[in-house]
Amino acid sequence: DVKVTQSSRYLVKRTGEKVFLECVQDMDHENMFWYRQDPGLGLRLIYFSYDVKMKEKGDIPEGYSVSREKKERFSLILESASTNQTSMYLCASSLANYEQYFGPGTRLTVT
Amino acid sequence: GQSLEQPSEVTAVEGAIVQINCTYQTSGFYGLSWYQQHDGGAPTFLSYNALDGLEETGRFSSFLSRSDSYGYLLLQELQMKDSASYFCAVRDSGNTPLVFGKGTRLSVIA
Repeated sequence: DVKVTQSSRYLVKRTGEKVFLECVQDMDHENMFWYRQDPGLGLRLIYFSYDVKMKEKGDIPEGYSVSREKKERFSLILESASTNQTSMYLCASSLANYEQYFGPGTRLTVT
Repeated sequence: GQSLEQPSEVTAVEGAIVQINCTYQTSGFYGLSWYQQHDGGAPTFLSYNALDGLEETGRFSSFLSRSDSYGYLLLQELQMKDSASYFCAVRDSGNTPLVFGKGTRLSVIA
């Protein structure tokens, strides 16, 4: 079974802090994705990566950056957290683009 | 631009059949995926249609009509555990990520 793990289930940070969200997958997938999920807005793509060292902006990259130094690890960075970044963050990986495997999510609260 | 439309909420009775529709407008089209997400859980992949027609996996079936830019997820013999959100997602080219709809919240009642 594919396993995608995220570093924290719940996280509380203060406005202005730098926040790191880590995602690790164990199935040697090339593709990795970061989404945020908010009620009524569905899944919105923040960044994605199709290879090590490669990254592409998704639909809502503002205020975020990513790092992919190793194939199995994809990190999301909030450079200076703001209250409007309070959300559920979901990481996913895939071999075939249409079938993504999601991690359990990190519920981030910025106060 | 790209857009996917699906109903925001559907309610159905245990044991019945329910259909969740998805219409899409995309610049290209490779296929339509469906995902299920229980409250507090992660989305999980249910099915994928690249060609017109019906794909069946147990109690769940998914249909696609490329000419109508339309698909649906059919859930039969509904169970309480089917209460969840269901997302359709379009793959509009070989290299771009999936575009997700906003989800349909299905409530199964006794």
